[in-house]
Amino acid sequence: KAGVTQTPRYLIKTRGQQVTLSCSPISGHRSVSWYQQTPGQGLQFLFEYFSETQRNKGNFPGRFSGRQFSNSRSEMNVSTLELGDSALYLCASSLDPGLAGEQYFGPGTRLTVT
Amino acid sequence: QQQVKQSPQSLIVQKGGISIINCAYENTAFDYFPWYQQFPGKGPALLIAIRPDVSEKKEGRFTISFNKSAKQFSLHIMDSQPGDSATYFCAASMRTGGSYIPTFGRGTSLIVHP
Repeated sequence: KAGVTQTPRYLIKTRGQQVTLSCSPISGHRSVSWYQQTPGQGLQFLFEYFSETQRNKGNFPGRFSGRQFSNSRSEMNVSTLELGDSALYLCASSLDPGLAGEQYFGPGTRLTVT
Repeated sequence: QQQVKQSPQSLIVQKGGISIINCAYENTAFDYFPWYQQFPGKGPALLIAIRPDVSEKKEGRFTISFNKSAKQFSLHIMDSQPGDSATYFCAASMRTGGSYIPTFGRGTSLIVHP
């Protein structure tokens, strides 16, 4: 079974631009979560989608948004990019998010904002 | 406010030695405590996890010790190998909105010298 895939793997954007990142979960998984990983703040939860509905949201500004499609694929969007948005963005999928320990992470998208 | 504190930030051990990473949490509502292992260019992967009703869990060379009264837990890697060189994250989870959402520690970079 294929793992979680994220595209693109690397991205360079300019401050003020917007960016869209994509995540394809493991087949059959209906929950997708997004995390931001930086050296200074570590791994921080952005949001979680289950059956196309946002169920949980982390403490990030409204510039960060996401959505999930009927095939469980998810996208996250960051508008008006800031230098501090440079990070590794990780996506994780779950078959049953109500069960602990069920998250499987993708390799991430490395975003660099210049 | 950092809900999960992890130490040390980096750790160097010799092959065959014991690696010990410590974490402390604040919220007593957490009821699931996983450890993740992350290699460069990869997403975190669940290594071992424990529930608060158990004081110790062992899987191969990896052991979690849990002290509920002190709100602390630790990862012990016995007979550390160069292949264990990676970044380790502790996390604390609880069900929120129907899903387990982990709060991560800042990570420990482990280097095992051959």
